[in-house]
Amino acid sequence: RKEVEQDPGPFNVPEGATVAFNCTYSNSASQSFFWYRQDCRKEPKLLMSVYSSGNEDGRFTAQLNRASQYISLLIRDSKLSDSATYLCVVNPSNFNKFYFGSGTKLNVKP
Amino acid sequence: EAGVAQSPRYKIIEKRQSVAFWCNPISGHATLYWYQQILGQGPKLLIQFQNNGVVDDSQLPKDRFSAERLKGVDSTLKIQPAKLEDSAVYLCASSPLQTKGTEAFFGQGTRLTVV
Repeated sequence: RKEVEQDPGPFNVPEGATVAFNCTYSNSASQSFFWYRQDCRKEPKLLMSVYSSGNEDGRFTAQLNRASQYISLLIRDSKLSDSATYLCVVNPSNFNKFYFGSGTKLNVKP
Repeated sequence: EAGVAQSPRYKIIEKRQSVAFWCNPISGHATLYWYQQILGQGPKLLIQFQNNGVVDDSQLPKDRFSAERLKGVDSTLKIQPAKLEDSAVYLCASSPLQTKGTEAFFGQGTRLTVV
C-alpha cells in the first residue's frame, strides 16, 4: 500500500468555482502534513502546512481528519493562476521524512 | 536567502553511460534529500542524509545509484550505468533539523533523458 494516495484528476473547473481535493495516508502515526504546488516543469513549492485544527490562507483551506487518515484542500473562487498540480505530502515520523502523493492536476478554465 | 542549487539543469546521455548530479542545500540545513520524479508521478524519495550520515536509502537502487554528502554540505548523486527507465527529474531538497513541522525546500531539479 502506498504511503500517500491522491486522485490524479484532472479536475477541470471554470473560473470562480470551488474545488476540493482529498488525500489519504497509510501511517496512523504520521506527524506532519503539507500541500505543495507544482507548476509544469518546475519544482514543488510549499502551499500550506496542515494543522490538526484546520487552517485557512486566503482562498485556500486545509483540513486534517486523523480518525479517517485523510487531508483535504479546498480552493474557493478559483483563478486561472491556480492551474497546477497539487501534491499531498506526509511526514510519517519525527525524522523530517517527506512522502509525496502522485499529485492532483487542476485546470482552471476561463 | 539563497535557495537549493542544483546542476546541471538538463542532461542527455545514452543508456549504459554514467552521470552525476550536484546539489548545494540551503546554508545551515542539516537534512538533504534526493528525489526522483518520473513524468506524471509524485516525487519518490531516493535517499535522505542528516549531516553526512544516511538516514534512509531504502528506495535507492544501489546496484546502479550512489550518493554521498561529504562534510555534511554538498551532495552528489551518481547513476552508473544508466537505463532508459532512469529518465526523470532528479530533485534535491533540504530542510533544517527539527523534529516535525518543518517543510522541505526544493531545487529546480536536473532533467535527465536517457536515450
